[in-house]
Amino acid sequence: AQSVTQPDIHITVSEGASLELRCNYSYGATPYLFWYVQSPGQGLQLLLKYFSGDTLVQGIKGFEAEFKRSQSSFNLRKPSVHWSDAAEYFCAVGAHNAGNNRKLIWGLGTSLAVNP
Amino acid sequence: DTGVSQDPRHKITKRGQNVTFRCDPISEHNRLYWYRQTLGQGPEFLTYFQNEAQLEKSRLLSDRFSAERPKGSFSTLEIQRTEQGDSAMYLCASSLNRGWGTGELFFGEGSRLTVL
Repeated sequence: AQSVTQPDIHITVSEGASLELRCNYSYGATPYLFWYVQSPGQGLQLLLKYFSGDTLVQGIKGFEAEFKRSQSSFNLRKPSVHWSDAAEYFCAVGAHNAGNNRKLIWGLGTSLAVNP
Repeated sequence: DTGVSQDPRHKITKRGQNVTFRCDPISEHNRLYWYRQTLGQGPEFLTYFQNEAQLEKSRLLSDRFSAERPKGSFSTLEIQRTEQGDSAMYLCASSLNRGWGTGELFFGEGSRLTVL
């Protein structure tokens, strides 16, 4: 079955420290992978996406993610975290259902807290 | 273009009442999605439209829920005879009907429903 796992429910880092949020997926075909961020009381904003080509993708706000097919992972990274990065982060995989309709399958999210 | 807008942002209602949410997608987007999100969870797919046609409905969408997109522009999501379990954030998203490469979802800020 198609699924997305974000192993870390909550992470706390200090401002200026590096960050890595984990995402593992289960999908039979070539995955289309996304990371979204949701700030408190806000909608979801796309950080970056992977479809093909270079396995290291750059996104907005200084984030990057690396697709590793052998590990079925798409981990999100940032070299230096800012206090404004505190938010909920969701990994998602784009899939087709039996009717060939496109849909996103979401992880449960990782809540990031940033200490000053 | 101001992005995806949702109204109201917050609705408090008593159990048994009907509520309606409205979503105005990005104007050139022909796909419109409704998701539900509860605290600590990722978004759950409810339904989506391509133009005015409702192409898929989740089994989460009981017969108390109905969604319309009459002219292929804005959409409404109505919940009849609300129950406390309906309390959640209802998210609307829109996209262009293309492959995943350009078919990313743009989300509104959500409509939070509280059923007392």
